[in-house]
Amino acid sequence: GESVGLHLPTLSVQEGDNSIINCAYSNSASDYFIWYKQESGKGPQFIIDIRSNMDKRQGQRVTVLLNKTVKHLSLQIAATQPGDSAVYFCAENPPNDYKLSFGAGTTVTVRA
Amino acid sequence: DAGITQSPRHKVTETGTPVTLRCHQTENHRYMYWYRQDPGHGLRLIHYSYGVKDTDKGEVSDGYSVSRSKTEDFLLTLESATSSQTSVYFCAISESGTGGFSDGYTFGSGTRLTVV
Repeated sequence: GESVGLHLPTLSVQEGDNSIINCAYSNSASDYFIWYKQESGKGPQFIIDIRSNMDKRQGQRVTVLLNKTVKHLSLQIAATQPGDSAVYFCAENPPNDYKLSFGAGTTVTVRA
Repeated sequence: DAGITQSPRHKVTETGTPVTLRCHQTENHRYMYWYRQDPGHGLRLIHYSYGVKDTDKGEVSDGYSVSRSKTEDFLLTLESATSSQTSVYFCAISESGTGGFSDGYTFGSGTRLTVV
């Protein structure tokens, strides 16, 4: 699979390969994390979430990994498809806070 | 997105004029948010509401005000529009606010505002 280093804004991946998108979050007290997908001209859409008492959570073709020691979150997409081309955002939510804080986003482009 | 509607979808306005954007929800969710999205900045919170007439500032609230007179509507007003407020504005709703497991936010389709 292909991955992007932390803070890099773009990722190009071959169709059928696995993708790994990384995110560094800022608040060590955050206890809830979400990945969103945003297609061109649309609002962000919920993909998967994870609580801080978990290290890994799987959905349909997606897996989120959480490493609290280094404040790192990753999204793995299995067998990347053209429809996965989008901007992906991670978001964090500190405890007792009504708000989400978003990262800058990674643009994923799937090559045919 | 189902249950949340933003209007207008596009607007061009002149510097110095007031502008109001509307967010309407049919989900009866308690929490509503206004974000702006700019290249290189991701989504930044402008204002949010945790109930009717209960609002608070986000990280980029200067130049903006909000009102929520009923559960389903959250209005964002640019008091006197400036070119720096050219952006895409997203409204979001949440039932639990703090996220809750598998809640997250539901976003509207956005309003593209251009200030000339």
